[in-house]
Amino acid sequence: GAVVSQHPSWVICKSGTSVKIECRSLDFQATTMFWYRQFPKQSLMLMATSNEGSKATYEQGVEKDKFLINHASLTLSTLTVTSAHPEDSSFYICRVLYGGTEAFFGQGTRLTVV
Amino acid sequence: RKEVEQDPGPFNVPEGATVAFNCTYSNSASQSFFWYRQDCRKEPKLLMSVYSSGNEDGRFTAQLNRASQYISLLIRDSKLSDSATYLCAVTPLGGYNKLIFGAGTRLAVHP
Repeated sequence: GAVVSQHPSWVICKSGTSVKIECRSLDFQATTMFWYRQFPKQSLMLMATSNEGSKATYEQGVEKDKFLINHASLTLSTLTVTSAHPEDSSFYICRVLYGGTEAFFGQGTRLTVV
Repeated sequence: RKEVEQDPGPFNVPEGATVAFNCTYSNSASQSFFWYRQDCRKEPKLLMSVYSSGNEDGRFTAQLNRASQYISLLIRDSKLSDSATYLCAVTPLGGYNKLIFGAGTRLAVHP
């Protein structure tokens, strides 16, 4: 069964609203989670590295005030897309580090902003 | 220059064909290398790790060439079910298990 649960799997929201995406590790504690974004026919682009109990580390070009990451517990990291716009429509996916060497992807969230 | 580059394809091949994908990476200090398979915007699934000595898993063979900074994936006896996008991924030095992905190569296997 799945070891990482990402929710929701898809969401449609109006422009200007905020959307929260959750990534949960099941049955294990995860100190590190990664958030990726993938536009159609493009690569998975690393957005940020989320560490439990500390601020996320954002990749160059990713607006930290727009993409809020919270990793308040060892099993949950959330990504909030604030004031979403159509250009934020994308596939967002988390990747959870397990035991320092193994990692599992969430199922991904397809965000459509209208 | 992108850190990881792949030919986007698509590669259209008949069943039974052998197809090879290449991927180049720009950072010579990269540590770990992988091939993933991704179906229809679902999560990527690890296909295999890639080592300098080469490794094989059934019909799939992966190879790393550090001197030329490229990795390859060979699929023999292609099946319809192999149709997917194949992503190469690299962990940079000190990347703490970060993965940098290529854009992926689409493979379409037809009857």
